[in-house]
Amino acid sequence: EDQVTQSPEALRLQEGESSSLNCSYTVSGLRGLFWYRQDPGKGPEFLFTLYSAGEEKEKERLKATLTKKESFLHITAPKPEDSATYLCAVQGNANAGKSTFGDGTTLTVKP
Amino acid sequence: DTAVSQTPKYLVTQMGNDKSIKCEQNLGHDTMYWYKQDSKKFLKIMFSYNNKELIINETVPNRFSPKSPDKAHLNLHINSLELGDSAVYFCASSQAGVTEAFFGQGTRLTVV
Repeated sequence: EDQVTQSPEALRLQEGESSSLNCSYTVSGLRGLFWYRQDPGKGPEFLFTLYSAGEEKEKERLKATLTKKESFLHITAPKPEDSATYLCAVQGNANAGKSTFGDGTTLTVKP
Repeated sequence: DTAVSQTPKYLVTQMGNDKSIKCEQNLGHDTMYWYKQDSKKFLKIMFSYNNKELIINETVPNRFSPKSPDKAHLNLHINSLELGDSAVYFCASSQAGVTEAFFGQGTRLTVV
C-alpha cells in the first residue's frame, strides 16, 4: 500500500526566513508526486507534479524537488500570504488513478 | 466561473437522517472523485468515477452511495448518518492519466 509521511507537522517562520518541507513516500512504482496548497475553508489547490527522481519545478518562491524516497518543497524568503497547509500526494503503479495524501504541513509565516 | 462546484457548503443534520451532496465540473474532465477530510486534515479518497463508471471504491460503509448521471456530475448520497460521518467532503476532477486534481470548495457535514 502506498504511504506518504510529511514533516514537520507544523512550521512557523518569520517573513524572509527560508525553509523546506519534507514528503517521504513508499510506493510501488512512482507514477507521479503532487504538491497542493490548502487554505482554511477551501479545497486543495494544485502546485506541482513531479514524475521522476532528479526533477525540479519552480513557481515564485516555491521549488519542489524529487528523489527516489522523498520530495522537498523549498520556500525561499516566504511572505505571510504563503501561510497555508501544504499537502503531498503520490500515485503509484499498483493504484492507478488513486492519489494517496500525507497529513500535510501547516506553514505559518509571521510578518 | 467555478471549475468544480459542490453544494451545499455547509450541512448540519441529525443522526439517522439521509442527505445528499452534489458536485459539478465544467472542465471537461473524464474522472471525478469524492474525498473525505477528517478533523486532522487527513484527505482520503472514497470513490472515483471515469466516464460515469465506478473505478475506485475504497473501504467505505455502504451507507455512502455515489451516483454519476453524466461525466460532469458526481453526487454523494449518505443514508442513516452517524456522528462519525462528520467531516469535510471534497469533490474533485481530473483528466485521465497521472494528472493533478481540481478540488471543489468542500462541504462541511456536521452530524448532531
